[in-house]
Amino acid sequence: DVKVTQSSRYLVKRTGEKVFLECVQDMDHENMFWYRQDPGLGLRLIYFSYDVKMKEKGDIPEGYSVSREKKERFSLILESASTNQTSMYLCASSLATFYGYTFGSGTRLTVV
Amino acid sequence: AQSVSQHNHHVILSEAASLELGCNYSYGGTVNLFWYVQYPGQHLQLLLKYFSGDPLVKGIKGFEAEFIKSKFSFNLRKPSVQWSDTAEYFCAVKSGGYNKLIFGAGTRLAVHP
Repeated sequence: DVKVTQSSRYLVKRTGEKVFLECVQDMDHENMFWYRQDPGLGLRLIYFSYDVKMKEKGDIPEGYSVSREKKERFSLILESASTNQTSMYLCASSLATFYGYTFGSGTRLTVV
Repeated sequence: AQSVSQHNHHVILSEAASLELGCNYSYGGTVNLFWYVQYPGQHLQLLLKYFSGDPLVKGIKGFEAEFIKSKFSFNLRKPSVQWSDTAEYFCAVKSGGYNKLIFGAGTRLAVHP
């Protein structure tokens, strides 16, 4: 089974801090994704990557950046955390759309 | 841009009742459609998918969905729900290039014994 591992299950950060959320997958998938999940809004795509060093903006990229230096790792960076970035962050990877996504367990980030 | 609407945000059913969750996407062309489920405290899992062919697709745990192109719909059904089906259900669509999915807002299903 493909495993997508997110480094932290819960994080509490202060406003203005730089925050790194890490995601690692173990099945050599080309595609990786970062979503945020909020009640009543579902999953919204922040950024995705279809290859090493390649990245594309999703629907809500403002306030975020990403890094993909190695195929298995996709990092989400909050340059200066704000309270409206308090959310559940989900990482996913995919070989191809036909196979669907494999999701990580999520990181619940609280910005105070 | 493509969008997905799930009409029911909360659904409450008794065990053995039939289930239908609505999902509509905003515009046509070639689409790939998915339903994902998130059980309490667990990660999202793929329930079923439609790519082409028979518009009635069957997934895991007795779920099925019907793709109706003329209605831009992909509704999820189960003839008889169980308490263990209590979860949040998300419809998703891929259209256009890249492998990205657009998700709906989700439907929370609570099944009472």
